[in-house]
Amino acid sequence: DTEVTQTPKHLVMGMTNKKSLKCEQHMGHRAMYWYKQKAKKPPELMFVYSYEKLSINESVPSRFSPECPNSSLLNLHLHALQPEDSALYLCASSQDTGYSGNTIYFGEGSWLTVV
Amino acid sequence: AQSVTQPDIHITVSEGASLELRCNYSYGATPYLFWYVQSPGQGLQLLLKYFSGDTLVQGIKGFEAEFKRSQSSFNLRKPSVHWSDAAEYFCAVVRGTGGFKTIFGAGTRLFVKA
Repeated sequence: DTEVTQTPKHLVMGMTNKKSLKCEQHMGHRAMYWYKQKAKKPPELMFVYSYEKLSINESVPSRFSPECPNSSLLNLHLHALQPEDSALYLCASSQDTGYSGNTIYFGEGSWLTVV
Repeated sequence: AQSVTQPDIHITVSEGASLELRCNYSYGATPYLFWYVQSPGQGLQLLLKYFSGDTLVQGIKGFEAEFKRSQSSFNLRKPSVHWSDAAEYFCAVVRGTGGFKTIFGAGTRLFVKA
């Protein structure tokens, strides 16, 4: 069982809606990540938070807005999405970002469909 | 730049047969290498990882991988495949410094036939 929990598992939203994806981990990890995965493709990094501060934004459109309220929680706020944003959104965490050998632990993902 | 290549888009093996999934990396220094598995509709689960030391790494679910620097490879193996092993397998590399960025290969889809 994964120790990274994502909610909701499935989300259908209209292009004018505002919704959020939530992620929680209780492993004491200080780095958290959002990845986007399209069908039959590998995950693509979107954002990295290190010690609750945004450290990497991989040129993600502003309609995706991450938030890290505390060291255990990571949110992804969604607004004015496009149908091509439909994908599996994976949250992940690792001990920190300073050590290359850190293992990244993934949640089961949130399936997002934009209609 | 670092990269990971998985030459096989999909592989089909018979249940009980042996399996080898190929992974080649491009990286100047000692890489940190991982294999992840993703079952349909699920997140990614770590199978095993290599940082240094013994080049044959044991993982979960009976998988192992061998790091071969001379061939820039990190192939995943299993001696006897079970139907439940059908999934997508991703090889990944993390660069040697400031290692927050995991680079994934394109993945290999494993089909298991009875």
